[in-house]
Amino acid sequence: KAGVTQTPRYLIKTRGQQVTLSCSPISGHRSVSWYQQTPGQGLQFLFEYFSETQRNKGNFPGRFSGRQFSNSRSEMNVSTLELGDSALYLCASSLIGVADTGELFFGEGSRLTVL
Amino acid sequence: AQSVTQPDIHITVSEGASLELRCNYSYGATPYLFWYVQSPGQGLQLLLKYFSGDTLVQGIKGFEAEFKRSQSSFNLRKPSVHWSDAAEYFCAVGAGIQGAQKLVFGQGTRLTINP
Repeated sequence: KAGVTQTPRYLIKTRGQQVTLSCSPISGHRSVSWYQQTPGQGLQFLFEYFSETQRNKGNFPGRFSGRQFSNSRSEMNVSTLELGDSALYLCASSLIGVADTGELFFGEGSRLTVL
Repeated sequence: AQSVTQPDIHITVSEGASLELRCNYSYGATPYLFWYVQSPGQGLQLLLKYFSGDTLVQGIKGFEAEFKRSQSSFNLRKPSVHWSDAAEYFCAVGAGIQGAQKLVFGQGTRLTINP
């Protein structure tokens, strides 16, 4: 069974640009969550989608957005990039949600560098 | 608000020695508690979880953790570490409405193994 796949793995952008990251969950998983990981702030929850609906959202500005498609694949977008957006963005999937199954399956992440 | 504290940023132990990583949480209700491990350049992998029941939970790779409600702790232990255990370890609490939960992570403990 294939794991969670994130693309691209690495990317470099400049301030003011926008970026789209993609996540393909494990087959059959309907919940997709996104986390930002930085040395200073650690792992922070961005948002969670289930059946194309955003169920939960973290404390990030509106420049961070996401969506989920009917096949459960998810994308997140960051507009007007700032230096502080440099981070490892992790996608995680689960069957229904972390409370129901107790486990999130994480991808290897997309490492974004903003210059 | 829910929070997780991992008091030790970095721990070094010798191969074969025992290990205990500390985790304290703040959460109003019965928590869902997790330990994840992250190897360099990788995503997170679940080691073990506590939802309810027996307060001593067994996980993968020989790890165990004990939930102590009176101390709001969920410490991770291993009787004898291996060089391959060198990684970063994250404690997390499931927070939010059931079915739409997110994970709140601690800052992580980096484990170094001396040969």
